[in-house]
Amino acid sequence: DAMVIQNPRYQVTQFGKPVTLSCSQTLNHNVMYWYQQKSSQAPKLLFHYYDKDFNNEADTPDNFQSRRPNTSFCFLDIRSPGLGDAAMYLCATSTRQALSNQPQHFGDGTRLSIL
Amino acid sequence: DAKTTQPNSMESNEEEPVHLPCNHSTISGTDYIHWYRQLPSQGPEYVIHGLTSNVNNRMASLAIAEDRKSSTLILHRATLRDAAVYYCILRPTRFRDDKIIFGKGTRLHILP
Repeated sequence: DAMVIQNPRYQVTQFGKPVTLSCSQTLNHNVMYWYQQKSSQAPKLLFHYYDKDFNNEADTPDNFQSRRPNTSFCFLDIRSPGLGDAAMYLCATSTRQALSNQPQHFGDGTRLSIL
Repeated sequence: DAKTTQPNSMESNEEEPVHLPCNHSTISGTDYIHWYRQLPSQGPEYVIHGLTSNVNNRMASLAIAEDRKSSTLILHRATLRDAAVYYCILRPTRFRDDKIIFGKGTRLHILP
């Protein structure tokens, strides 16, 4: 059974039209991440939540926002998508215990296309 | 954060062992070595991790050099399903620092 679920798998939006991608998890993990992966590139971390604490990467554009209403769900909002935002968006989770090194569990991503 | 260096691509024959190298000469004493792989059209998948000692699990083995400046992921008997991009990543053990920074990885091709 899928443990990190991303919906939809494919999303098409228009240039400048806000779009929201969703991620849910059944692992009860306290940390959730969003990554952007462009074609033939490695995933790039956008931000992560440690419980309800939001941690933004320094080079994440302001156009990208996130919400985590509860442990199970996390959303990625792109306020005004540009052509350069076409990419695969990956959600991941992990459980964080002091000084441990738990693996991250990834969903299969949402591929976003911009018309 | 310490960086890793991997070959861009490698090829191996099906049913033969594969050794995927990773250099991390600036590794710090508290950095764990993690390996993930990404199959086509899927999210990355955790493979294995270790600190100092060699590690084995059902997917692979991880051999860590004595000075920890390099490591090797070993797939004992490659199948076509193992064709993927393999990422070697260093993760610090700083509390609440849970980031994974992906490098370019090694694209592994398996020849039938």
